[in-house]
Amino acid sequence: GQNIDQPTEMTATEGAIVQINCTYQTSGFNGLFWYQQHAGEAPTFLSYNVLDGLEEKGRFSSFLSRSKGYSYLLLKELQMKDSASYLCAVQDSNYQLIWGAGTKLIIKP
Amino acid sequence: GAVVSQHPSWVICKSGTSVKIECRSLDFQATTMFWYRQFPKQSLMLMATSNEGSKATYEQGVEKDKFLINHASLTLSTLTVTSAHPEDSSFYICSARDVREGFWEQYFGPGTRLTVT
Repeated sequence: GQNIDQPTEMTATEGAIVQINCTYQTSGFNGLFWYQQHAGEAPTFLSYNVLDGLEEKGRFSSFLSRSKGYSYLLLKELQMKDSASYLCAVQDSNYQLIWGAGTKLIIKP
Repeated sequence: GAVVSQHPSWVICKSGTSVKIECRSLDFQATTMFWYRQFPKQSLMLMATSNEGSKATYEQGVEKDKFLINHASLTLSTLTVTSAHPEDSSFYICSARDVREGFWEQYFGPGTRLTVT
């Protein structure tokens, strides 16, 4: 079966760095996405990785290792507005998105 | 960036009635649209995938006769919840993708919150 695992909840301090991990087992791989979702809102796109390595975009970076079925989202200089759920999604061989359950990130002052 | 709109943003209806939700891609042509449902504190659940001009493909456990999907044009898909019941109350989100661009990102609409009383 297809499976995406990520922690249910994480807590971090404003100004700090946090890493949210995602491991996956899917039938085929055509890229991994990270989305941010604030409560009551639709997800918004953060990053897309299809090749191994680190993609940096401002305060957010995303890493992928296809051989390990592993990705992480790194958030630097945390701000209170970063409190949200972070969703990991893998595109399988049919270009269907398989979603993780999301990681709720709580930022404390 | 690509914009997807949904209408209405929220709706309250009585049990037994039908509700139609529209999803539009505003500045691109969506060859594929997806409909998701999300219950509180849960992740997105894909309900169906629709390609323009063809019948929608429903996920296992989703009743196609209850959730009618029409994707009549490259910019519009509709989801009709027929004979709604309180258990259908949820956050319905559509997303759209233009595969011809060669980039597989799904652009999400803002969601529609449905409450069935």
